[in-house]
Amino acid sequence: IAGITQAPTSQILAAGRRMTLRCTQDMRHNAMYWYRQDLGLGLRLIHYSNTAGTTGKGEVPDGYSVSRANTDDFPLTLASAVPSQTSVYFCASSDRGIGYTFGSGTRLTVV
Amino acid sequence: KNQVEQSPQSLIILEGKNCTLQCNYTVSPFSNLRWYKQDTGRGPVSLTIMTFSENTKSNGRYTATLDADTKQSSLHITASQLSDSASYICVVSVGEYGNKLVFGAGTILRVKS
Repeated sequence: IAGITQAPTSQILAAGRRMTLRCTQDMRHNAMYWYRQDLGLGLRLIHYSNTAGTTGKGEVPDGYSVSRANTDDFPLTLASAVPSQTSVYFCASSDRGIGYTFGSGTRLTVV
Repeated sequence: KNQVEQSPQSLIILEGKNCTLQCNYTVSPFSNLRWYKQDTGRGPVSLTIMTFSENTKSNGRYTATLDADTKQSSLHITASQLSDSASYICVVSVGEYGNKLVFGAGTILRVKS
């Protein structure tokens, strides 16, 4: 089934630890995105990539980094996790900004 | 500042009843408006997408309307089912290419029997 796969589904992480959230798509979409979803707020863009080899900062990029070595993968790394990064993280991809497909999310708790 | 506001925050209705969710936005430049359904523990799934020139669009029992003059949209759900219980998110695309999304906080709908 075509779509986006995120891993892990959920994670409890000690503050200060490094963590990489994985995202893979099989639709050959050029653009990919990372969002975080917090209670009472709309999804907020962390980082994006318009095409393989390029990345850009979104609305809330601090404390996060991304890479886009190929079309399919777009990992999100927390270099040193803090409790404020407790959230649900969604990876998404789009075909020329028209149709967006979201993954099922990674629920991260930083303690 | 680009903003999308949704109302109500939450809603409980009986199975079989209709309901309407509201979305007001202040974005510039407007590209298109989307409604998403998000089931608990899942990612958002697209219901409708409307451009500036479209007033209404349907997807089964879901009908979205758009008034670009007043910058308002609504999502009407007809003959609700238990499976309609979810969060409904209004999303506005901004910019010439519509590749910047501004998300509303969502309306949590619960349909009970």
